[in-house]
Amino acid sequence: GNSVTQMEGPVTLSEEAFLTINCTYTATGYPSLFWYVQYPGEGLQLLLKATKADDKGSNKGFEATYRKETTSFHLEKGSVQVSDSAVYFCALSDSFSSASKIIFGSGTRLSIRP
Amino acid sequence: DAGITQSPRHKVTETGTPVTLRCHQTENHRYMYWYRQDPGHGLRLIHYSYGVKDTDKGEVSDGYSVSRSKTEDFLLTLESATSSQTSVYFCAISEIKSSGGEAFFGQGTRLTVV
Repeated sequence: GNSVTQMEGPVTLSEEAFLTINCTYTATGYPSLFWYVQYPGEGLQLLLKATKADDKGSNKGFEATYRKETTSFHLEKGSVQVSDSAVYFCALSDSFSSASKIIFGSGTRLSIRP
Repeated sequence: DAGITQSPRHKVTETGTPVTLRCHQTENHRYMYWYRQDPGHGLRLIHYSYGVKDTDKGEVSDGYSVSRSKTEDFLLTLESATSSQTSVYFCAISEIKSSGGEAFFGQGTRLTVV
């Protein structure tokens, strides 16, 4: 079945550092890929998405590229801020199934030091 | 924000009692999901629905049942609550084919079984 594996946290960085959170997936067909963010006490919010190979999703300075050859969708940001502290989830959905499920990775907690 | 309301937002219940959580949407989305979030496990799919009266099991469905008699409502029932079902429960909705499958989440229900 489909699955998502992302790097375990927690990840602690200093402000303005470069961020990478790794995500790889296993899926049949051609899934859509997502990064979600969860701030303390809140539900998940979509951060960015990519629906086909080589697409780059971007939002709020974050980027991720859909790499079919390596089945990866790594999240990157060039200069993190304290406000980026949150839990980040990688996810996939099978866009072509009539009974599709959305599968999430285990989440990566990110803490940014001032 | 997508119109998703979960109720109740917090509940404490005793072991062995039945509990029903409600998810209500105003977006007319076809797909609805129930997830539970636990430390170290990320989000795990309990059940999902792909239409009125059409539901299927997720990866952690034991001890849970669902019903969807109307497009807008998706109910999650714990038949006989156990302490292992203490968790934060999230409802999500999506419209797979039109948006690439991104999900919109409710604010969550914190359930404590004592």
